Amino acid sequence: KAGVTQTPRYLIKTRGQQVTLSCSPISGHRSVSWYQQTPGQGLQFLFEYFSETQRNKGNFPGRFSGRQFSNSRSEMNVSTLELGDSALYLCASSLVQGAQYGYTFGSGTRLTVV
Amino acid sequence: QQQVKQSPQSLIVQKGGISIINCAYENTAFDYFPWYQQFPGKGPALLIAIRPDVSEKKEGRFTISFNKSAKQFSLHIMDSQPGDSATYFCAASGGAAGNKLTFGGGTRVLVKP
Repeated sequence: KAGVTQTPRYLIKTRGQQVTLSCSPISGHRSVSWYQQTPGQGLQFLFEYFSETQRNKGNFPGRFSGRQFSNSRSEMNVSTLELGDSALYLCASSLVQGAQYGYTFGSGTRLTVV
Repeated sequence: QQQVKQSPQSLIVQKGGISIINCAYENTAFDYFPWYQQFPGKGPALLIAIRPDVSEKKEGRFTISFNKSAKQFSLHIMDSQPGDSATYFCAASGGAAGNKLTFGGGTRVLVKP
């Protein structure tokens, strides 16, 4: 079966711009979570969506937002980009809400802010 | 209370050797402890996971040892192979932290042939 699909794979944006990243979960998976991965901070939780509702949010500024659609696909948006937002953004899906049910991660979107 | 500390940051092991990675946590409400393996250019992949009511879990060459009283758990990779060269992350979830994963800092493992 198809895995978690994240688009685009690579993105270069200018400081101050905004960006939207997309995640298509495994068919049948209803929960989508987003993580940011950087060399300095490691893997950090951004948010979790289940049934189109944000269920949990990490400690990130309001510039980071997301949403989930009725087909479980999810998008995350970062506004007013800063150099420090350069990171690998990973999406993970699971059948139901909760990491303990087994996350499957996508390959991520590599965002570079210049 | 949310931190998971992982060590070492990197290790080199000969083919056939044993790789050991350790993690310590602070939040006693954590109740799910997975290990993820990540190759360059890929997202993390779930390797093996354990719950605190079990002291050890083995899947193939990979074993998790769990010490609830010490709040520590470790990953042992037996008979390490060059294909095991990757970055390994421990993580934890549960309690007030909810369903999200709190990750350790990662260990880069290099298996020399």
